[in-house]
Amino acid sequence: AQTVTQSQPEMSVQEAETVTLSCTYDTSESNYYLFWYKQPPSRQMILVIRQEAYKQQNATENRFSVNFQKAAKSFSLKISDSQLGDTAMYFCAFEDYGGSQGNLIFGKGTKLSVKP
Amino acid sequence: DAGVTQSPTHLIKTRGQHVTLRCSPISGHKSVSWYQQVLGQGPQFIFQYYEKEERGRGNFPDRFSARQFPNYSSELNVNALLLGDSALYLCASSLSDRGTILTEQFFGPGTRLTVL
Repeated sequence: AQTVTQSQPEMSVQEAETVTLSCTYDTSESNYYLFWYKQPPSRQMILVIRQEAYKQQNATENRFSVNFQKAAKSFSLKISDSQLGDTAMYFCAFEDYGGSQGNLIFGKGTKLSVKP
Repeated sequence: DAGVTQSPTHLIKTRGQHVTLRCSPISGHKSVSWYQQVLGQGPQFIFQYYEKEERGRGNFPDRFSARQFPNYSSELNVNALLLGDSALYLCASSLSDRGTILTEQFFGPGTRLTVL
């Protein structure tokens, strides 16, 4: 069974600085997607960034980028120039390509606080 | 376009009661997934429906059931409520049920269920 582990329950960063959230996963599959979701205090889950496992290039979305290490099964999220609005729970998630559809497997989350 | 909507926002029930949660997907989305998010944890997959058929089921007891209607809206039903069913129930919709880029899931704001 696939598992997703986020080892940092809470993190804090000063506004404008850079922070990296860690995620490791376990799977025997070779084709899959990885995601980072953001859940602000208002609750609505928002997709931040996604990575296809078959792509070697790390995904980037504006201030958000990932470091995908397939062999190490590691998928970290880097947030540059942190903003107060980045304060939220961040969840790493895994989806098996072609497997049980709609079955996102989430980690327990990292609570990120951006301080002014 | 309206996002995923869920009703009600909050719900308080007592043990042994039954509850029905509702979800309307984004227009054009045919797949709906349900997740349970216990406080302090990541969401856990309950069901996925596509074109009114169940396509996936998580590790939840038979007290949990769901269905999808011709307009692609969905209901999640939970019978014989237990205290442990207290959680945020999230609905997510996507265009397709296949493991492609189109399976990006868009989440609703959730229904907060409290069982007393």
